[in-house]
Amino acid sequence: KAGVTQTPRYLIKTRGQQVTLSCSPISGHRSVSWYQQTPGQGLQFLFEYFSETQRNKGNFPGRFSGRQFSNSRSEMNVSTLELGDSALYLCASSLASGGSHPGTQYFGPGTRLLVL
Amino acid sequence: AQSVTQPDIHITVSEGASLELRCNYSYGATPYLFWYVQSPGQGLQLLLKYFSGDTLVQGIKGFEAEFKRSQSSFNLRKPSVHWSDAAEYFCAVGAQSGTSYGKLTFGQGTILTVHP
Repeated sequence: KAGVTQTPRYLIKTRGQQVTLSCSPISGHRSVSWYQQTPGQGLQFLFEYFSETQRNKGNFPGRFSGRQFSNSRSEMNVSTLELGDSALYLCASSLASGGSHPGTQYFGPGTRLLVL
Repeated sequence: AQSVTQPDIHITVSEGASLELRCNYSYGATPYLFWYVQSPGQGLQLLLKYFSGDTLVQGIKGFEAEFKRSQSSFNLRKPSVHWSDAAEYFCAVGAQSGTSYGKLTFGQGTILTVHP
């Protein structure tokens, strides 16, 4: 099975712009989670989607948004970019559904975003 | 709220030596625990996981971890380290209920350096 794929792998943007990152989960996985990784804050949870619905959201401003499509692919969008948004953005997919078991998250290679 | 502490930011070992990376978690219910490894510029690779059952779990690349509920710990071990094990290691706790859907909470990571 192909793993989680993320596009693009690298991005350079300037302050004030917006950016859209894409994530294709492992075939059959319906849950997609997004994380931001920075040297200062480490790995922080952004949000999770399951069956096109956002089930959970981390503590990030409203400039960070996402969505999931019917084929489970997900996108995240960051509007009005700030210098502090420079980070590695990781998505992960899992089989987790509505039960109490969290499932195992498998990560993509990430998108490296640099905001100038 | 769930939290994870990795007390060691950086560990250096000689090739062939044994390794133990520490992880302590805080979670009110049954924890689901994971160890991931990240090479520079890459995504996270799952090493092993604990959901229930045998408290000693085996993972890939010769790693194992032991869940100790009384100590709230999930330490990662390897009997003989190889130079290719040099990377950053993350312990994570997950859940699947309410505000925890699809969310992994990570420790700050431990950077492993291997000397020849």
